[in-house]
Amino acid sequence: EVQLLESGGGLVQPGGSLRLSCAASGFTVSSNYMSWVRQAPGKGLEWVSIIHSGGNTYYADSVKGRFTISRDNSKNTLYLQMSSLRAEDTAVYYCAREAEHRPNFDSWGQGTLVTVSS
Amino acid sequence: EIVLTQSPGTLSLSPGERATLSCRASQSVSSSYLAWYQQKPGQAPRLLIYGASSRATGIPGRFSGSGSGTDFTLTISRLEPEDFAVYYCQQYGSSPPVYTFGQGTKLEIK
Repeated sequence: EVQLLESGGGLVQPGGSLRLSCAASGFTVSSNYMSWVRQAPGKGLEWVSIIHSGGNTYYADSVKGRFTISRDNSKNTLYLQMSSLRAEDTAVYYCAREAEHRPNFDSWGQGTLVTVSS
Repeated sequence: EIVLTQSPGTLSLSPGERATLSCRASQSVSSSYLAWYQQKPGQAPRLLIYGASSRATGIPGRFSGSGSGTDFTLTISRLEPEDFAVYYCQQYGSSPPVYTFGQGTKLEIK
C-alpha cells in the first residue's frame, strides 16, 4: 500500500526556516516524480515544487530561490527546505506522488501545517 | 500562465440529483493534462479523473469527466451523501513544468 507521511511543520517567525519531510512506503521515491502542494487556510490548492526521478527540480515562482526540494534515497524520504519564510507561506503542505506517465497526483500525504507568524 | 476558472463557486443540490461542475481555461489545454480532485474537510485531495475523462482507480462510475480545449466538465450523475465536498480541476504545462489548480467548487447539501 502506498503511504506518504509528512512531518516537520510548526510555528516559525517571518524570515525563518523550516524543513518538511515526507516519508514514503509502498513505493520508491527516487523512481517517481514527487511534488509538494500547499493549501492556505480556507483557500485552494497551490503547487509548490517537483523533483523528477532523474533529479531535475522545478519551483513555483512564489517560492523560487527560497525553497529547495530534495530526497534521501536511503530513507525513501522527500524533503522541502523552506527559508526566508513569509506570512503568505502559511499553509498545509502536502507531498504528492505524480502518477506514472501522467501529470496528475495519484497519492497524497495527510499534510503538515506551517504557520509563519511573529 | 494558464488560469483555470471553476464555476459555480458553490453548488447546492440534494442527494440523488445530478451535479455539473465547470472548469474553463484561459488558453487551450491538452485533454491529457486535465484532472479533477475531490477534497473533504480535513482530508487530502483525492484524484477522481485524469486525462479529462478517465476515472482513477476505485472511483465510482457516477463520476465522469468530459471536455476539450478550454472547457471541461465534471459530472456526478446521482449524488450520494459522501459526494458533498470541494472539487478542483488541475492542468499541467510543460517547459518548465507547472501545475495549476482551479479555485474550487464547493458542492453542498441543499
